[in-house]
Amino acid sequence: GAVVSQHPSRVICKSGTSVKIECRSLDFQATTMFWYRQFPKQSLMLMATSNEGSKATYEQGVEKDKFLINHASLTLSTLTVTSAHPEDSSFYICSARRERVLGTDTQYFGPGTRLTVL
Amino acid sequence: AQRVTQPEKLLSVFKGAPVELKCNYSYSGSPELFWYVQYSRQRLQLLLRHISRESIKGFTADLNKGETSFHLKKPFAQEEDSAMYYCAPGDNYGQNFVFGPGTRLSVLP
Repeated sequence: GAVVSQHPSRVICKSGTSVKIECRSLDFQATTMFWYRQFPKQSLMLMATSNEGSKATYEQGVEKDKFLINHASLTLSTLTVTSAHPEDSSFYICSARRERVLGTDTQYFGPGTRLTVL
Repeated sequence: AQRVTQPEKLLSVFKGAPVELKCNYSYSGSPELFWYVQYSRQRLQLLLRHISRESIKGFTADLNKGETSFHLKKPFAQEEDSAMYYCAPGDNYGQNFVFGPGTRLSVLP
């Protein structure tokens, strides 16, 4: 089956630093990837849609200058949390859409990255 | 506004009992409906979607457009069904913009 990886799985950083999270589709190409955020005991919240070769589309209320997304290749999207603060601490999950010529597309999720900002 | 409600945060049933996880949605247009499952220490994965009209691991879900519901059902629950279940409207491109709050299903021996 399709596999999506995320790196790192967890990261602890100091307030004010920037953190980059990678999302890779390992065995398929993904023109579209998604970034979600999940607070403890809450559901996933879509942050942005990452489009290969073009700018990401951010959901309302998500600061694009705070959460920089780069989708430079068909297998890699990165999310950079700039000048991180404790309130940015969360579980970040990416997904990649596997497009089908026949049938419907399917999202495959990464395992998530736990970010803790001290 | 797009919204998904799953009224039960936790649902406990005994093995072999029927189970129904409720989902109601408020969504513009005619969304495709999905159920995702997350087993302990595993990533989120697609369980089933309405358009496929298939039964996965014994689960089925019927879309009721009148009631805007997409309840997930299984006639005989198994212990391995214990997991977190999320209902999510989306589009035909497999894109989910909104996830429900999730229901934790616990199947007791």
